[in-house]
Amino acid sequence: DTEVTQTPKHLVMGMTNKKSLKCEQHMGHRAMYWYKQKAKKPPELMFVYSYEKLSINESVPSRFSPECPNSSLLNLHLHALQPEDSALYLCASSQGDNQETQYFGPGTRLLVL
Amino acid sequence: RKEVEQDPGPFNVPEGATVAFNCTYSNSASQSFFWYRQDCRKEPKLLMSVYSSGNEDGRFTAQLNRASQYISLLIRDSKLSDSATYLCVVNGGAGNMLTFGGGTRLMVKP
Repeated sequence: DTEVTQTPKHLVMGMTNKKSLKCEQHMGHRAMYWYKQKAKKPPELMFVYSYEKLSINESVPSRFSPECPNSSLLNLHLHALQPEDSALYLCASSQGDNQETQYFGPGTRLLVL
Repeated sequence: RKEVEQDPGPFNVPEGATVAFNCTYSNSASQSFFWYRQDCRKEPKLLMSVYSSGNEDGRFTAQLNRASQYISLLIRDSKLSDSATYLCVVNGGAGNMLTFGGGTRLMVKP
C-alpha cells in the first residue's frame, strides 16, 4: 500500500493566521519531503527529513517551519504567509534517502488572502 | 540551461495513436530516472522507473540513454484516460533529491 495522506485538502488563511499542514504515511518509510507546486509548474522541493532529522532545507523562508514528530508524521507550520505562497503543498515519502522512489500524497491546496 | 528539459506540448493525439515524449538531463552523475503522471489538480503518481536496458509496462515503454543523457516514454494505443501531464524526473542529488522536468501535457481526443 503506497499511501501518503495529507490534511486538510483545502485551506484558506489570512496573512496573520497560524496554521499547520499534516502528512502521514504507514509504509515504514524513513524519508519524508515537502514540496510546493504552483499552477502549470513542476513541484519544487522545500524540505527533506531523513530518519526524523531535517537533512535539506532548500532556502525556504522562515514563515514555513517543518516538524517531524515521529517517523510516520510530517507537519508544516505556517505563519505570516504572503499571497504568493498560495499553491499546492505536496508531501512525499520514500523507503530511504538513497535513490529511492518517492510517493506523493494528494496535497493541500492553500490560498492565502 | 535547465537541469531536466521536456517539450511542454501540448500533444494532441487521437485515440489509438502512438505518442513519444523525450527528456534530456544535464547532470551526468544522475543515478535513477522516473516518469510520473500528474492529472489536473492531483498529485504526481509514479508511472514507471526507467532503466538502461529499457522497460515496458503494458502500453508504456521507457528508455534511458546514459551516453546522450536522454530519456524517452512511448505510449501505444492511446486512451482518453492517458490525458495528463507527464513529468520526467531525475534523481542524482544528495538526500534523494528529485529534479523535475517542466512536464509534457498530453491530450487524447476521441
